[in-house]
Amino acid sequence: DGGITQSPKYLFRKEGQNVTLSCEQNLNHDAMYWYRQDPGQGLRLIYYSQIVNDFQKGDIAEGYSVSREKKESFPLTVTSAQKNPTAFYLCAVGPFGEQFFGPGTRLTVL
Amino acid sequence: AQSVTQLDSQVPVFEEAPVELRCNYSSSVSVYLFWYVQYPNQGLQLLLKYLSGSTLVKGINGFEAEFNKSQTSFHLRKPSVHISDTAEYFCAVRSRGQGAQKLVFGQGTRLTINP
Repeated sequence: DGGITQSPKYLFRKEGQNVTLSCEQNLNHDAMYWYRQDPGQGLRLIYYSQIVNDFQKGDIAEGYSVSREKKESFPLTVTSAQKNPTAFYLCAVGPFGEQFFGPGTRLTVL
Repeated sequence: AQSVTQLDSQVPVFEEAPVELRCNYSSSVSVYLFWYVQYPNQGLQLLLKYLSGSTLVKGINGFEAEFNKSQTSFHLRKPSVHISDTAEYFCAVRSRGQGAQKLVFGQGTRLTINP
């Protein structure tokens, strides 16, 4: 089975904790992205990476961090500095426009 | 910079009726346009895209969209909907420039099909 995997599907975080969301792909695309989805707000770009060992901030990067050590993997860390992290997080791969999305991780802060 | 406005946040229709989901965009440069569908608790799936050529674009699941440059619109249509079309639909735009060009999404339209 191929494509994009995100784990975990559901994640609960206590206030003050950092958590890391996993995104793995076997589609051999260079570009990977992280989006945040809130009800009624569409998708907003957090970070993106066009190549290994390089990444850029999106529109709402504050309180998040990423790494891109391997082509297949683009993990997102939600830090304690993110004041309102409860949301649905989507990872995508592919050139801008023709993006393929993972199934998402729903993060809830307790 | 680009922006996208989806004119209806919710659209209820009866099964087998036609539907149109409206999308308007704003951009100072030429753009590419996309429609994505999201089923509950899932990621997004590309329905169709306009890159160039014919302004009428056909996608998966019987959907089509028409690019209207003068009205800066890219409305999505289906002549006869099915219960399985119940989902959220997102319009997106990106500029045609070289290099990294971000996708800008609309706020989404929730399509509900009633039997």
